[in-house]
Amino acid sequence: NFMLTQPHSVSESPGKTVTISCTRSSGSIASNYVQWYQQRPGSSPTTVIYEDNQRPSGVPDRFSGSIDSSSNSASLTISGLKTEDEADYYCQSYDSSKWVFGGGTKLTVL
Amino acid sequence: EVQLVESGGGLVKPGGSLRLSCAASGFTFSSYSMNWVRQAPGKGLEWVSSISSSSSYIYYADSVKGRFTISRDNAKNSLYLQMNSLRAEDTAVYYCARPPGSPRSGMDVWGQGTTVTVSS
Repeated sequence: NFMLTQPHSVSESPGKTVTISCTRSSGSIASNYVQWYQQRPGSSPTTVIYEDNQRPSGVPDRFSGSIDSSSNSASLTISGLKTEDEADYYCQSYDSSKWVFGGGTKLTVL
Repeated sequence: EVQLVESGGGLVKPGGSLRLSCAASGFTFSSYSMNWVRQAPGKGLEWVSSISSSSSYIYYADSVKGRFTISRDNAKNSLYLQMNSLRAEDTAVYYCARPPGSPRSGMDVWGQGTTVTVSS
């Protein structure tokens, strides 16, 4: 089994751009899609990126996803930060019939 | 409206049992595999178990294998999680979640969660 490692926390100012990384410990990051979920306090997770770089309807184009095989990692980039983006973000992938989540990144917008 | 509603959580003593339910509506439940995902207090998300649309394929996380049993009743549009030999570390909010199609594409619908507390 592999692990997905995320930074514990990131912070940035409103209007700026932030990138959250998600590094796969073993196996290729490109071997299975990466999803990103947003979870606000007291709420269930919601998808902001699926299949590496696809946005569900209703998610603003300020959210984008990518993968980098050279670093074996995925990234979530949020541009034009708003205070409402403050939340926990989790990456997730799949392999050998198991769903694996990263540890989560707390985004503070201040 | 596509909806998942969990129920059955509560306070249980270590070693005890609990059965969670998840009622699905707004989509053809029998066409989708389903998952249980949990979140311990102040911690991250952890996948617990999955079941295919016809119950032919069932998988568990190592942390619950042999203690938890996932099942479904497509006639009742319901998903279940039977939890036995509960431990303090099983304390968490338990979510049912639906993969949109391929398991590689994550989970696109989540319930509101039900809280399980294991304590003496």
